[in-house]
Amino acid sequence: EIVMTQSPATLSLSPGERATLSCRASQSVTTYLAWYQQKLGQPPRLLIYDASKRATGIPARFSGSGSGTDFTLTVSSLEPEDFAVYYCQQRYSWPLTFGGGTRVEIK
Amino acid sequence: EVRLVQSGGGLVQPGGSLRLSCAASGFTFRDYNMNWIRQAPGKGLEWISFITSGITTTQYADSVKGRFTVSRDNLKKSLFLQMNNLRDEDTAIYYCATHDFDYWGQGTPVIVS
Repeated sequence: EIVMTQSPATLSLSPGERATLSCRASQSVTTYLAWYQQKLGQPPRLLIYDASKRATGIPARFSGSGSGTDFTLTVSSLEPEDFAVYYCQQRYSWPLTFGGGTRVEIK
Repeated sequence: EVRLVQSGGGLVQPGGSLRLSCAASGFTFRDYNMNWIRQAPGKGLEWISFITSGITTTQYADSVKGRFTVSRDNLKKSLFLQMNNLRDEDTAIYYCATHDFDYWGQGTPVIVS
């Protein structure tokens, strides 16, 4: 099983600041990596797939990068609605696995 | 509009069974592989099952293998998760999602107690 590790666990930032979230895989997942945003009481929303492709309707301030074992989700300038929990997921091999999440909170 | 509407959750005793349903609309269900994912209270996401569009292949997480069975009815545009021998640790919100996880159901709670 591929273990996904996200850091930091919590990120405290102000609106307008840049957020950089990290995700590391225990072995290479090439670019089979997705990012999700989840708000309280809601299902997750797909943001990024194939490491760097934005899903339909996702604003350009969200971007993904990386390949192999190290990946980054960047929010260029945080909007109030961006404060949430973010998860990465590898889609390279079964079982599909998620990281433990990064909470982006208002500073 | 793509919709996945879930039903079937509830309170069950350890060792009991439940069947979750996920009704699809707004897309050609028979062409899509589907997934089940769960989230324990206050915890992260756990993928638990997958089924191909033609029902030829299924996959399960080790945590549910042998106890849970995924199925689908393409004529009724519905996905199912039969959960047997439920344990306390199966308590979670259960979500259905399309193959690429771009559409999710609203989630249904399962409480094993």
